Amino acid sequence: SQQGEEDPQALSIQEGENATMNCSYKTSINNLQWYRQNSGRGLVHLILIRSNEREKHSGRLRVTLDTSKKSSSLLITASRAADTASYFCAFTGGGNKLTFGTGTQLKVEL
Amino acid sequence: NAGVMQNPRHLVRRRGQEARLRCSPMKGHSHVYWYRQLPEEGLKFMVYLQKENIIDESGMPKERFSAEFPKEGPSILRIQQVVRGDSAAYFCASSLDLDGNTEAFFGQGTRLTVV
Repeated sequence: SQQGEEDPQALSIQEGENATMNCSYKTSINNLQWYRQNSGRGLVHLILIRSNEREKHSGRLRVTLDTSKKSSSLLITASRAADTASYFCAFTGGGNKLTFGTGTQLKVEL
Repeated sequence: NAGVMQNPRHLVRRRGQEARLRCSPMKGHSHVYWYRQLPEEGLKFMVYLQKENIIDESGMPKERFSAEFPKEGPSILRIQQVVRGDSAAYFCASSLDLDGNTEAFFGQGTRLTVV
C-alpha cells in the first residue's frame, strides 16, 4: 500500500504540553502536507513542506521532513483543548495524487 | 472566494438507489479530487479529475462508481445501485496544481447513509 503510516494512532496530553506526531511513507515525494480534521468535519490545511525543505514553522506548529528516512513529524507546542482533533499527513509524488496517512487522534485535556 | 462547496451535506439512500454527490471547487481551481472516509479511518483516494478529463481513477471501484468534471458546473460523483458498504463520508478537494506545491482545499463532505 502507498498509504502513509502515522504514529501514534492516538495521543492524549494535558493542556500546555507539546504533542508530536510522526508520519512515514514509502514513495519519493514532491511535498508533504499536514491536515487537521475535527470530528465529523472537513479537513483544514495546516502546513506544506517541500521535498527540498527540512523544517518549517507556522505559529505553534513545527514540521520536519527527512527524505532519507521517508518520514515527517508535526509538533504542536503549548497545546490547547481546541487542538483536539485528528491529524493527517498527506503527500504527493508523481501524478498529482494526494495520498493520506492513517491519522493520529489527539486529545488535549484541561 | 467561497471555499470548496459540497452538497448535499447528508444523503440517505435505500439499497439499489443512485447517489449523486456534487462538488464545486474553489474559484480558479481546475483540479478536483474525491476521497472516501470510513468512521475512524483515514481518507482513501478515489479519483482525480481536471476539467473534462479523468486523470487518475485508480481508487475508484470498477463497478457502480463514476465521476465527471464537466466544462461547466460542478464535479459529480455518482454511485449507482448503492449498497450498505457505500455508507461513508465523501470528501472533495480542489487545488491549482499539487505538483506545483500548492495546497488542496477540502469541502465539508457528504455523509452518505445507505439503509
